[in-house]
Amino acid sequence: GENVEQHPSTLSVQEGDSAVIKCTYSDSASNYFPWYKQELGKRPQLIIDIRSNVGEKKDQRIAVTLNKTAKHFSLHITETQPEDSAVYFCAARGGSYIPTFGRGTSLIVHP
Amino acid sequence: ETGVTQTPRHLVMGMTNKKSLKCEQHLGHNAMYWYKQSAKKPLELMFVYSLEERVENNSVPSRFSPECPNSSHLFLHLHTLQPEDSALYLCASSQTGRNAEAFFGQGTRLTVV
Repeated sequence: GENVEQHPSTLSVQEGDSAVIKCTYSDSASNYFPWYKQELGKRPQLIIDIRSNVGEKKDQRIAVTLNKTAKHFSLHITETQPEDSAVYFCAARGGSYIPTFGRGTSLIVHP
Repeated sequence: ETGVTQTPRHLVMGMTNKKSLKCEQHLGHNAMYWYKQSAKKPLELMFVYSLEERVENNSVPSRFSPECPNSSHLFLHLHTLQPEDSALYLCASSQTGRNAEAFFGQGTRLTVV
């Protein structure tokens, strides 16, 4: 089955800095890679996703890149703000509709 | 409101109690999931129900019993739980298409005393 590794587990940045979270996956058949944000006490919510037919996708301050050859994808947040503080989960979907999630990254943005 | 509703939001139960968690989705999805989220641990898939199949994580103890009477409702029946079962239990739903987004409920914060 699919295996998703996510790093780092904790990321601390100053407001205005950039943050990068990286994930690798094992199933070469995976073709859908969503990212979820979970604020404290709230549900995980999709913030951006990428499909295997593109290498990069941007939405304002967030972007995701995908390298299918190396089987890794990354989340980039620019100009971080305190409200970006949350746990971020990557996921991958391969031959099954069931997503496999990474372990999560706790992002802390210091004002 | 995302269309996935879980009740109750909080539950405190003793180890000898029997309780049930409920999840309801109004998104027309055909797959529903239970996840366990413990502190400092990854999201743990417990059960999946879809039109075609039921998927079970073999590491989930038998004191957790799922029920899916239709495509919109999912239950998790709990009995003789242990303190280590205290966690946030998240329900999610999606279509079974490979590029379909999963929508999560708010979760039930379970404390076993």
